[in-house]
Amino acid sequence: DTAVSQTPKYLVTQMGNDKSIKCEQNLGHDTMYWYKQDSKKFLKIMFSYNNKELIINETVPNRFSPKSPDKAHLNLHINSLELGDSAVYFCASSRKQGTGELFFGEGSRLTVL
Amino acid sequence: EDQVTQSPEALRLQEGESSSLNCSYTVSGLRGLFWYRQDPGKGPEFLFTLYSAGEEKEKERLKATLTKKESFLHITAPKPEDSATYLCAVQRPQGAQKLVFGQGTRLTINP
Repeated sequence: DTAVSQTPKYLVTQMGNDKSIKCEQNLGHDTMYWYKQDSKKFLKIMFSYNNKELIINETVPNRFSPKSPDKAHLNLHINSLELGDSAVYFCASSRKQGTGELFFGEGSRLTVL
Repeated sequence: EDQVTQSPEALRLQEGESSSLNCSYTVSGLRGLFWYRQDPGKGPEFLFTLYSAGEEKEKERLKATLTKKESFLHITAPKPEDSATYLCAVQRPQGAQKLVFGQGTRLTINP
């Protein structure tokens, strides 16, 4: 039973399209995150939600919009995709806000052509 | 700005050959330093948390240590299954306490 699951695992799409990535955690955690891992393997935080409330919103283009319908789900919608959006996007969760022990999903590899 | 630098970028060892990975950090106050392991095509997996200089944590063949400016991940008598990318991250005490990651060290253990 996967703790943090995200779908889809792979997305290949054209520039200008809109896409969504879904994430669910069954750990009962309060806090969820979206991270972006670029081609150089740097992991950078994009967003964090605690009990459905946005608590971290890094310098991310407005084209990226997270949505947390409940504390077990955190989705990421991306509008007007650009070449530079190609990366692996990881969803993660933690038991509470402020802990550094994160549980990551397997990642969603986005390729924009 | 917080910075985390890991070295070397890549390391190849023979099975049983011990070595250390380095994580140097610059942060205004340190709430915690974290080590993660990432296998190809997978998400990072949490290994250790270190909070203060002098602290050490161990798990099987891995031992993490912390000073005021850097952390080391020592690997003793590694096996091929220890091959992975090892990531280090730091966390500040202030604000939203986000993690800042280094670029990782890709470790390969040859049988």
